[in-house]
Amino acid sequence: QKEVEQDPGPLSVPEGAIVSLNCTYSNSAFQYFMWYRQYSRKGPELLMYTYSSGNKEDGRFTAQVDKSSKYISLFIRDSQPSDSATYLCATGSNAGNNRKLIWGLGTSLAVNP
Amino acid sequence: GAGVSQSPRYKVAKRGQDVALRCDPISGHVSLFWYQQALGQGPEFLTYFQNEAQLDKSGLPSDRFFAERPEGSVSTLKIQRTQQEDSAVYLCASSFRRGAPYNEQFFGPGTRLTVL
Repeated sequence: QKEVEQDPGPLSVPEGAIVSLNCTYSNSAFQYFMWYRQYSRKGPELLMYTYSSGNKEDGRFTAQVDKSSKYISLFIRDSQPSDSATYLCATGSNAGNNRKLIWGLGTSLAVNP
Repeated sequence: GAGVSQSPRYKVAKRGQDVALRCDPISGHVSLFWYQQALGQGPEFLTYFQNEAQLDKSGLPSDRFFAERPEGSVSTLKIQRTQQEDSAVYLCASSFRRGAPYNEQFFGPGTRLTVL
């Protein structure tokens, strides 16, 4: 079992839809949680990070973390064709010199005009 | 503005050949990371530098993989005697926040390595 599980999709939605992307993780030592967006043939770019349970909102994006169930979510409101990309969740801890991120597989999203 | 750059962007190697992949991090960034991303997968951690010190190399898959950052800026990932299973995109990321509670990593575009 991978430390971070993410449904790879693909997910296809019409423009304007609300998109829900999810990951689960197994290690309770993970302290911070991130969502990255990756366009084809590009490196990942950070969208959102959270350091505790609860919600964090940034424009059309909301990140949600539930540490009790080890479940993280990203919601995209009013989705746009430009949101079409792969969305990767990532998590990690700061124990010792540990700075590495553990990643999900990524969910491929297509927003259709 | 200048982001993380990687070269070459694409590399084709014959099996058994040695390759060297270069990463230029954002100027002043203390931390540098290498990841391997296979097709349809998320990135997998390879190694981490803080300045010139390699603090974690637990993700390097074999002793054929070697990374260095001798002056604490540019880094090179070297793969000796390449095998077909080494075919992947190699991503470099840098981060400036030593000791920060989170780890915002800025990624380069990656080097796509194909081993024939």
